[in-house]
Amino acid sequence: NAGVTQTPKFQVLKTGQSMTLQCAQDMNHNSMYWYRQDPGMGLRLIYYSASEGTTDKGEVPNGYNVSRLNKREFSLRLESAAPSQTSVYFCASTTKGIATNEKLFFGSGTQLSVL
Amino acid sequence: AQSVAQPEDQVNVAEGNPLTVKCTYSVSGNPYLFWYVQYPNRGLQFLLKYITGDNLVKGSYGFEAEFNKSQTSFHLKKPSALVSDSALYFCAVRGPSGGYNKLIFGAGTRLAVHP
Repeated sequence: NAGVTQTPKFQVLKTGQSMTLQCAQDMNHNSMYWYRQDPGMGLRLIYYSASEGTTDKGEVPNGYNVSRLNKREFSLRLESAAPSQTSVYFCASTTKGIATNEKLFFGSGTQLSVL
Repeated sequence: AQSVAQPEDQVNVAEGNPLTVKCTYSVSGNPYLFWYVQYPNRGLQFLLKYITGDNLVKGSYGFEAEFNKSQTSFHLKKPSALVSDSALYFCAVRGPSGGYNKLIFGAGTRLAVHP
């Protein structure tokens, strides 16, 4: 059982380049989330998808877009990368959503550097 | 607004000694509190949660946490630390209401257990 799988694990971009971070879960979860982790700041929610076909902004959505491709997959796109987007990105999922106080299942992260 | 504070960046403990990782929160109404752990190069893993009921909550790997409403705290504890407990620990809170479906994470506390 793979759980939550993120690709790639590492990426280096130049300012202005675009890229898509991929996330897939095999646990039949309805809700999926994208967080970024920065030193001294904990995790901050970028976007989330409560169910297939819906997406909503989190705390720090500027500069990002998301697509809930199907129930399994939730991608995060940086259209024009900026150095401020250098971070570790985590995808997470849960069956019904944070509002039900379920635990989140996290992927192993993508370390992104923007030069 | 909801918030959570972890006042210590790092906690150092000798193996076999008890450990405490501190967390305080601010939320209107009843809080829903969580602890997650992050091992090197891994995503976060759920440890335990407090929703209601007994103030002492037991979780994975021998950890427990004590909810104290008067002190607005939810400290993580373990009676006897192991070197393998060395990791980054995050406290998180979800209030009973909010603008959207999310957890607020603390900045994290690095636990170092020395042989």
